[in-house]
Amino acid sequence: QVQLVQSGAEVKKPGASVKVSCKASGYIFTTIGMHWLRQAPGQRLQWLGWINTGDGDTRYSQNFQDRVTITRDTSASTAYMELGSLRSEDTAVYYCARDKTGNDFWGQGTLVTVSS
Amino acid sequence: DIQMTQSPSTLSASVGDRVTITCRASQSLSVWLAWYQQKPGRAPKLLIYEASSLQTGVPSRFSGSGSGTEFSLTISSLQPDDFATYYCQYYGSHSRTFGQGTEVEIK
Repeated sequence: QVQLVQSGAEVKKPGASVKVSCKASGYIFTTIGMHWLRQAPGQRLQWLGWINTGDGDTRYSQNFQDRVTITRDTSASTAYMELGSLRSEDTAVYYCARDKTGNDFWGQGTLVTVSS
Repeated sequence: DIQMTQSPSTLSASVGDRVTITCRASQSLSVWLAWYQQKPGRAPKLLIYEASSLQTGVPSRFSGSGSGTEFSLTISSLQPDDFATYYCQYYGSHSRTFGQGTEVEIK
């Protein structure tokens, strides 16, 4: 069965970077793209970017394109999202989600807390 | 950028009620509209894609309709497990945009 398992919660200081991983199983990783999204407390879901897991091509939200980098390791069936220059407003749960019929499978979420 | 607006923001209903949530887009989406259910502390769960297609495993009391700029999600007979927050989503080419959510609460 399809599973997306994300790395654990992180606490970071303002100005630092965070890198979250998303390990896929139950399907051929390189055949379906991956999105990264986030949800701040009490807020709507927000899209950060997408990666073609086959060739590594990426697309980023204009709101984050100068701070976010999405990569993948095909040998490990894992996608990564790195967000830099963190500020308190980046405190949120970050999700990876498969690019199929919208987003058909989601990771469990990774809480990133930015605090001095 | 496309803007998505859901109504109502909160809906109070009882078990057995028929409920409808509306989602309006600032420009035509064709049928590239999905609906999700989210419970506290959990990831969103896909219910409906392409405006009206039921995701595998989702109960048939959920249905979606609409095209262009106006869409709706209907729950034909609300069950205790359905009290949650619902989001509409535009899924364009490699990007995603969500509505602000509708919380369905117990009346």
